Amino acid sequence: EPEVTQTPSHQVTQMGQEVILRCVPISNHLYFYWYRQILGQKVEFLVSFYNNEISEKSEIFDDQFSVERPDGSNFTLKIRSTKLEDSAMYFCASIYHNEAFFGQGTRLTVV
Amino acid sequence: KQEVTQIPAALSVPEGENLVLNCSFTDSAIYNLQWFRQDPGKGLTSLLLIQSSQREQTSGRLNASLDKSSGRSTLYIAASQPGDSATYLCAVPFTGGGNKLTFGTGTQLKVEL
Repeated sequence: EPEVTQTPSHQVTQMGQEVILRCVPISNHLYFYWYRQILGQKVEFLVSFYNNEISEKSEIFDDQFSVERPDGSNFTLKIRSTKLEDSAMYFCASIYHNEAFFGQGTRLTVV
Repeated sequence: KQEVTQIPAALSVPEGENLVLNCSFTDSAIYNLQWFRQDPGKGLTSLLLIQSSQREQTSGRLNASLDKSSGRSTLYIAASQPGDSATYLCAVPFTGGGNKLTFGTGTQLKVEL
């Protein structure tokens, strides 16, 4: 069964460093999303991406964040200068017929 | 602004018991509702998607109902098993349309032998 794949599963980075989280959505899906979940809190929407551009973003998605789809398959989330409060699980999702399919997530730990 | 609440926050039941998880949302102008399962430290697995035109959706031992007018959904799990132990999340689209989701805080279920 097709699935959304995320890499790495866990990343530890020092505060101020740049990180890139990668996702391979299910092929033939057109709408892509990033969400995050801080430990013990709700899953929160970050950004949606359609037709190679951002369609919506939340207040959380500030100038430190960016997304792109560099090669037509991978979908990446970049955090330019990580902060301690960026520590969270980051989930990639794609939508097909209104149903959301999520990846297994990347646990980002900023130290 | 759409708010989603799930009750109870945690639930512990003996194996074999039937149980109901509750989800309520403040804005009834939704076109679907989705239930997910999350194992500790893992991703979200889609369990059921209910369209606004439907009242129920079933998959195996799971049955989800949707009452838009009252802003409620329930997830019924029949004959619970230890493997059902996980956190169950419901999610609805944001107010104003689009496919981005607002999640509840989840119900943490433990099924004991």
